[in-house]
Amino acid sequence: EDKVVQSPLSLVVHEGDTVTLNCSYEVTNFRSLLWYKQEKKAPTFLFMLTSSGIEKKSGRLSSILDKKELFSILNITATQTGDSAIYLCALTGANNLFFGTGTRLTVIP
Amino acid sequence: NAGVMQNPRHLVRRRGQEARLRCSPMKGHSHVYWYRQLPEEGLKFMVYLQKENIIDESGMPKERFSAEFPKEGPSILRIQQVVRGDSAAYFCASSAGVGSYEQYFGPGTRLTVT
Repeated sequence: EDKVVQSPLSLVVHEGDTVTLNCSYEVTNFRSLLWYKQEKKAPTFLFMLTSSGIEKKSGRLSSILDKKELFSILNITATQTGDSAIYLCALTGANNLFFGTGTRLTVIP
Repeated sequence: NAGVMQNPRHLVRRRGQEARLRCSPMKGHSHVYWYRQLPEEGLKFMVYLQKENIIDESGMPKERFSAEFPKEGPSILRIQQVVRGDSAAYFCASSAGVGSYEQYFGPGTRLTVT
């Protein structure tokens, strides 16, 4: 059965800190791995990763995939209070996304 | 706004009533997915539809739940005879089509069953 495990489950940091969120997975047929940010409402798309070792970057956020060790990390540098959210990792299945339970990040001013 | 739209945003139903949740996909998207998020849990896939077709309903409870995506109009997720355990946030996502793995989510409908 496909499995997505995110760690830590929750994290509290101060503004300006750098954080690393982890996502490990087990899947029969890997297609892609996606990261989403969920604040109070809709998950918003951050990154899609399909190839190992290629970093995707968007401002202070970056992510990379390791298909050999079956994990991905999401880095956020110089965190701001607006980064407070649940960060979701998902695998692409045949017809759907299979989500982990997320990491709840709280950034304190 | 060309994003995924869902309504209502909040829905309160008494046990035994029916709940109807609507989703209009992003412009140009013909694939719709419904997910349920229970409190303190991750998003769980329910059903995947294209226009007039249910492609995968492996995540749908066998009873009381149904979904459709008619030729015209929004996709509808229907829950008959709601029970307290149906209280959750229901999210709809859309994608452009086969081979497009990026799904874009609507704001969700928060269903409360009293």
